[in-house]
Amino acid sequence: AQSVTQLGSHVSVSEGALVLLRCNYSSSVPPYLFWYVQYPNQGLQLLLKYTSAATLVKGINGFEAEFKKSETSFHLTKPSAHMSDAAEYFCAVSDLAGAQKLVFGQGTRLTINP
Amino acid sequence: DSGVTQTPKHLITATGQRVTLRCSPRSGDLSVYWYQQSLDQGLQFLIQYYNGEERAKGNILERFSAQQFPDLHSELNLSSLELGDSALYFCASNIGGRGDDTQYFGPGTRLTVL
Repeated sequence: AQSVTQLGSHVSVSEGALVLLRCNYSSSVPPYLFWYVQYPNQGLQLLLKYTSAATLVKGINGFEAEFKKSETSFHLTKPSAHMSDAAEYFCAVSDLAGAQKLVFGQGTRLTINP
Repeated sequence: DSGVTQTPKHLITATGQRVTLRCSPRSGDLSVYWYQQSLDQGLQFLIQYYNGEERAKGNILERFSAQQFPDLHSELNLSSLELGDSALYFCASNIGGRGDDTQYFGPGTRLTVL
């Protein structure tokens, strides 16, 4: 069964600093991987996804993530944090051949300090 | 705006009652997914429908049921409600058929059971 682990339920960075949100996955088949963002009182919005093309994936709002098969990781980064990035971020996996459901990590709450 | 609509936005009810949550997918999407988000369980997949047929089931309680109608909207029925059913319920949709299809999430229905 697939699973996702997000290291750090809370991450706090200063405005302008590097954002790094960690995600490790477990999958018996090549996975599809997703990062979603949830702003307060809103639904989930896709930031980016990996679907076995380029290993470095660029998303919206300046975020990107790199798929590393050897490390089973898909960490999310942004070079310079903005106050508007404060939100909860979820990593998710969907398998290639089976059900198309998403299996989510526990989420990481990102706080931006002025 | 993802194009997925959910009603109602908020629902407050008592233990033992039954409620119905409604979801309208994006135009053209055939697949609908239901997820539950709670503080202790995180985001969990409940059930998927594709073009009116049940496609996959997750950790959905027997007290819960869903269906997808010919116009492709979906309803999630929750009965004999317990305090622990209080959560945010999301609906998502996509064209369906492939694990790399992005799932587009609605704004959610917040259920409070008193």
